[in-house]
Amino acid sequence: DTEVTQTPKHLVMGMTNKKSLKCEQHMGHRAMYWYKQKAKKPPELMFVYSYEKLSINESVPSRFSPECPNSSLLNLHLHALQPEDSALYLCASSQQAQGGYEQYFGPGTRLTVT
Amino acid sequence: LAKTTQPISMDSYEGQEVNITCSHNNIATNDYITWYQQFPSQGPRFIIQGYKTKVTNEVASLFIPADRKSSTLSLPRVSLSDTAVYYCLVGDFRGGYQKVTFGIGTKLQVIP
Repeated sequence: DTEVTQTPKHLVMGMTNKKSLKCEQHMGHRAMYWYKQKAKKPPELMFVYSYEKLSINESVPSRFSPECPNSSLLNLHLHALQPEDSALYLCASSQQAQGGYEQYFGPGTRLTVT
Repeated sequence: LAKTTQPISMDSYEGQEVNITCSHNNIATNDYITWYQQFPSQGPRFIIQGYKTKVTNEVASLFIPADRKSSTLSLPRVSLSDTAVYYCLVGDFRGGYQKVTFGIGTKLQVIP
C-alpha cells in the first residue's frame, strides 16, 4: 500500500466553526507533513512530524493545530479560520529510499472558509 | 534552504523530448535535487531524485553537472498526459525528514 489518504475531500466551514482534517498512511513512514497550497501557487510547508514529534512549525497561526496520535495518522485541527485560509491542504509522508528521500502526497482536502 | 529558479512555462509538441532546467546556485553539500509533477487539484507526485551526475528511471532522466548549481529534468517523448506543473526542489533529510521549499514550478503544456 503506497497511498496517503486524506479526508474529507472537500470541506466548507464558517469562521466560527471547529473542524479537523485527517491524513493516514500505512507505509511505515515516520515523517509526516502538512502543506498548504493556494490556487496557481506552489505548496507551502506548514508542519513536519518526525517519529510522532513536531519537528517543524513554519510560523503557522495558532488557529491551525496539528496532531500526530500515532505513526500512521496525522490530523490538522482548524478553529476560527479566515477566508484567506481557503486552500488545498496536502498531507505527505516520507521515507529514505535508495539514493535519496521521497515524499508521498495525498490528494488533498479542498477547504473553503465562508 | 537553497532557492530554486526554473522557467514559469514551456510548450512542447507530442512526441518531443522536453528538458526543464532548474538553477540552485546556493545548493549545500548535503542537499539532494528532487523533481515532482503535479496535476490540477492533485497532490504532487515524485518523479526523480539525484545528488550528482545522471540518474535515470522509467519516466525521466536527471542531469546534474559537477558543480551541482543546476539540474535538468529530461522527459522523453512527451504525451498530452504529461501536461502538468513540474517542481524542482533542493533539500537534505537529516533528522529523519526532508525540509524542502517548492519553487514556482514550470507549467508544461504539451500540444497535439
